[in-house]
Amino acid sequence: DADVTQTPRNRITKTGKRIMLECSQTKGHDRMYWYRQDPGLGLRLIYYSFDVKDINKGEISDGYSVSRQAQAKFSLSLESAIPNQTALYFCATSDGSDGAGNTIYFGEGSWLTVV
Amino acid sequence: LAKTTQPISMDSYEGQEVNITCSHNNIATNDYITWYQQFPSQGPRFIIQGYKTKVTNEVASLFIPADRKSSTLSLPRVSLSDTAVYYCLVGTNDYKLSFGAGTTVTVRA
Repeated sequence: DADVTQTPRNRITKTGKRIMLECSQTKGHDRMYWYRQDPGLGLRLIYYSFDVKDINKGEISDGYSVSRQAQAKFSLSLESAIPNQTALYFCATSDGSDGAGNTIYFGEGSWLTVV
Repeated sequence: LAKTTQPISMDSYEGQEVNITCSHNNIATNDYITWYQQFPSQGPRFIIQGYKTKVTNEVASLFIPADRKSSTLSLPRVSLSDTAVYYCLVGTNDYKLSFGAGTTVTVRA
């Protein structure tokens, strides 16, 4: 089983609809992240959370919201989806341990198409 | 977060060594250098990490000069399956993680 699991893996939704992408992890990490990837643009950070009570905006948070329901769960919501939010979304975790750089573990990705 | 610069793309042939250089002129004292590999439609995965000098594992080697303003990821004897995007990240435990466009490595038969 994957350490970082995303659901759904694929979703087509209509403009204006609310959509939630869910992420759960079994690595016991405190830190969780949501990214989106568009062709040729690498991965851009949407939101990140360093613990259950900590939520921070990333580079491109407009149009998105998140909820950290538990240490292991971090969901991303699009309150009113628009076509330019069509992208591949990744959830990730890291342990942020001292004495070394941060190693990030990614989920398998969620393809979202807004029509 | 230290800004990084790496080539957009590189082509190679099976069996060759591929070296990707990443520039990070404003690297901070506590920053580590980490490389990730991403295959199409998959999340990036950790390849190697270093702070200074040379680090080697079963997948790659990472060369870091004394001034740490750049680093080179070396992939020995690449195969078709090494075709992927490679990302260079520089930071510490508290850095806000963002990935640039990376380097697309294409290995040909």
